[in-house]
Amino acid sequence: DAKTTQPPSMDCAEGRAANLPCNHSTISGNEYVYWYRQIHSQGPQYIIHGLKNNETNEMASLIITEDRKSSTLILPHATLRDTAVYYCIVRVGGGSEKLVFGKGTKLTVNP
Amino acid sequence: DSGVTQTPKHLITATGQRVTLRCSPRSGDLSVYWYQQSLDQGLQFLIQYYNGEERAKGNILERFSAQQFPDLHSELNLSSLELGDSALYFCASSRFPAATNEKLFFGSGTQLSVL
Repeated sequence: DAKTTQPPSMDCAEGRAANLPCNHSTISGNEYVYWYRQIHSQGPQYIIHGLKNNETNEMASLIITEDRKSSTLILPHATLRDTAVYYCIVRVGGGSEKLVFGKGTKLTVNP
Repeated sequence: DSGVTQTPKHLITATGQRVTLRCSPRSGDLSVYWYQQSLDQGLQFLIQYYNGEERAKGNILERFSAQQFPDLHSELNLSSLELGDSALYFCASSRFPAATNEKLFFGSGTQLSVL
């Protein structure tokens, strides 16, 4: 599975959009981009995933660049409860099933 | 609530002891994964089972073992415990691990403290 690079920490004001970048320049054609988050010491929570098209669900939007070498997770209206570590993971669809977590980005939403 | 149940939530034991962590996957999920999270190592994949069979192995120590039972619950056994084994242990489950859209659902973890 390709490696990802994320900033170690980011801050965001409550109510504003949080844009979390992820670099995955060695991604291959059959690898999906997944985002999970971990609030404090709770179990990681699935947020969203995509292959090449932009995706949106009730939690967030995922924007993948045309060359697929980077992506951005967007939380449109961040709340204090969105303070968490956000993990960007690339994973072969239908391939190695396990998720390999990096260090992620610690997002702090400030009042 | 992810639907994955882990027990116990907290476990305090002494070095050299053996403990068993238990995980019940979401209803209908056939695959179970175990992860270890310590302060300095982050989330580390240990082992995966699918429908009772071992499917993938990560950095699991020989002192650790796991199994998945016919009712699909799983147990992680940790023996000859050392101080460094103190960590959060997470279980996750999924339905079809090789599917392209597969997501993992994590339990709330077992906090193990070895004194």
